[in-house]
Amino acid sequence: RKEVEQDPGPFNVPEGATVAFNCTYSNSASQSFFWYRQDCRKEPKLLMSVYSSGNEDGRFTAQLNRASQYISLLIRDSKLSDSATYLCVVNGDDYGQNFVFGPGTRLSVLP
Amino acid sequence: GEEVAQTPKHLVRGEGQKAKLYCAPIKGHSYVFWYQQVLKNEFKFLISFQNENVFDETGMPKERFSAKCLPNSPCSLEIQATKLEDSAVYFCASSQLFGQSQETQYFGPGTRLLVL
Repeated sequence: RKEVEQDPGPFNVPEGATVAFNCTYSNSASQSFFWYRQDCRKEPKLLMSVYSSGNEDGRFTAQLNRASQYISLLIRDSKLSDSATYLCVVNGDDYGQNFVFGPGTRLSVLP
Repeated sequence: GEEVAQTPKHLVRGEGQKAKLYCAPIKGHSYVFWYQQVLKNEFKFLISFQNENVFDETGMPKERFSAKCLPNSPCSLEIQATKLEDSAVYFCASSQLFGQSQETQYFGPGTRLLVL
């Protein structure tokens, strides 16, 4: 089983739609959680950190459920510019394990 | 600098040749990480440094891969005797701290290595 798993995608949605991505992780000692986005042939860029209490940044909402080892990302009112691959990233245990990436979920927002 | 810089952008090597990639972390960042992304798929962690010291090298294929971070020089990742399967994008990332809750890593633009 992979350490971080994501919805396989791709997701093709019309502009203005709401879309949700799911991610699960296997290391219960993981401490830090992030969503990054990666555009075609570019480096990953931080979209948002994910906090236990859940957090929102404009149209983006992230949730973390430690008991279920589950992370989600909700995008409301999707824009064409949201088209990208969304990477669920987990930073491990107290030792400070390096970033472990999910395989990514590709989103295409269509006009 | 304020961004992670990586050179070269593209590198083409024949099988068996050496490849050397460079990374300059964000100024003030103590930690440097190297990742390999094959065919835009999953990222594989290679090695990390705390300043010039190797922090974690559990991901490194030790036979042909080596890396250094020397004072006042860009960090480097070197592949001796490249193989076809080394073709990938190699990303460098840096962070100010490590092991801190929600400490973000910032990624460079990557070096695209093609082994023919």
